[in-house]
Amino acid sequence: QKEVEQNSGPLSVPEGAIASLNCTYSDRGSQSFFWYRQYSGKSPELIMSIYSNGDKEDGRFTAQLNKASQYVSLLIRDSQPSDSATYLCAVGNTGFQKLVFGTGTRLLVSP
Amino acid sequence: EAQVTQNPRYLITVTGKKLTVTCSQNMNHEYMSWYRQDPGLGLRQIYYSMNVEVTDKGDVPEGYKVSRKEKRNFPLILESPSPNQTSLYFCASSFGVSTNEKLFFGSGTQLSVL
Repeated sequence: QKEVEQNSGPLSVPEGAIASLNCTYSDRGSQSFFWYRQYSGKSPELIMSIYSNGDKEDGRFTAQLNKASQYVSLLIRDSQPSDSATYLCAVGNTGFQKLVFGTGTRLLVSP
Repeated sequence: EAQVTQNPRYLITVTGKKLTVTCSQNMNHEYMSWYRQDPGLGLRQIYYSMNVEVTDKGDVPEGYKVSRKEKRNFPLILESPSPNQTSLYFCASSFGVSTNEKLFFGSGTQLSVL
């Protein structure tokens, strides 16, 4: 079992729809959770972080964390073509200087 | 401008020819790390450093060396590159050493070893 698992996609959604990206992780001791966006040929950039169960909203983005189910998700409302990118889920353990990345989900938003 | 600077952006070399990829950050960050990114495998950590003169292995350290003589610089050295080290490499840094910290990435180095 991979430490952090994501569906590789592509996930295709029409412009204006909600895109839902999912991530599961194997280590129950994980304490920090991140979503990075990576455009083709570019470096990852942080868009959301979440540390406790529940929802965290930032503009059109909502991160959801369920530690009991070892599940973290990212919702993108009113998806735009500019949101087309690969979204990387990253999970970190407190006490370990280690951040484990998933392989990413490619999102395609069509006009 | 706050940034992580990697050089070169593209590099083509031959098997066995030593090379160095430079990484420098101007944010006074404690933590620096190197990742490689391969299709289907995602970002994998090669080495990391929590402070000057403190480095440790990540998940895929074989064939690589690093040093942290100054806080701002963290070069990646491939002493005898092989074709399986063909990859996209990223340097990253963060202010603190906790995994709660946001990572800032360099623009990447696409390495091809022939």
